[in-house]
Amino acid sequence: EVQLVESGGGLVQPGGSLRLSCAASGFTFGRYWMSWVRQAPGKGLEWVANIKEDGSEEHYVDSVKGRFTISRDDAKKSLFLQMKSLRAEDTAVYYCARDLRYCSGGDCYSVFDYWGQGTLVTVSS
Amino acid sequence: AIQMTQSPSSLSASVGDRVTITCRASQGIRNNLTWYQQKPGKAPKLLIYAASSLQSGVPSRFSGSGSGTDFTLTISSLQPEDFATYYCLQEYDYPLTFGGGTKVEIK
Repeated sequence: EVQLVESGGGLVQPGGSLRLSCAASGFTFGRYWMSWVRQAPGKGLEWVANIKEDGSEEHYVDSVKGRFTISRDDAKKSLFLQMKSLRAEDTAVYYCARDLRYCSGGDCYSVFDYWGQGTLVTVSS
Repeated sequence: AIQMTQSPSSLSASVGDRVTITCRASQGIRNNLTWYQQKPGKAPKLLIYAASSLQSGVPSRFSGSGSGTDFTLTISSLQPEDFATYYCLQEYDYPLTFGGGTKVEIK
């Protein structure tokens, strides 16, 4: 059974740092892209970042570029999100998601087929 | 960034109703669109990928259509467990972007 379990959330002051973790099990972690998606309280979903299977490629939403870093440790089957210079607007539940890539008929797709339960990050003084 | 405009933002419907949610992209995204369902306090759940392919295990009353800029999620006969918020996501280009969501409520 595929499982993704996030941890590391909590209360942090503006300008502070936090590192989120996502422990994966039930699948060959090193064969999949992985993503972070967040949801501010009462708001919609926002994709944050993703990382390629071998860690050689990363992408970020503009609002976190230069402040957040996504990384992975395939030996430990874990995904991370290092967050620095945190702002009030970063307050959200952060989900990790398996980012399934597949191609069909020459077209390629990305699908978030499994999600963790989320971890809450609150940025407040 | 590609903007995804979902409509309506909310709707009230009865069990058995046919429900249609639309998602419009600010530029063409081929069929690189997925639909997710989210219930309060829970993680999103994948429903439809590649605009019209039903994810394994998802009831056949859910269907998706569209290509280019205009997409539709249809629930053919609304069931009690379908009351939730639905989001579209374009994965054609970075940054990946979600629609604003459609909350389906009980009439």
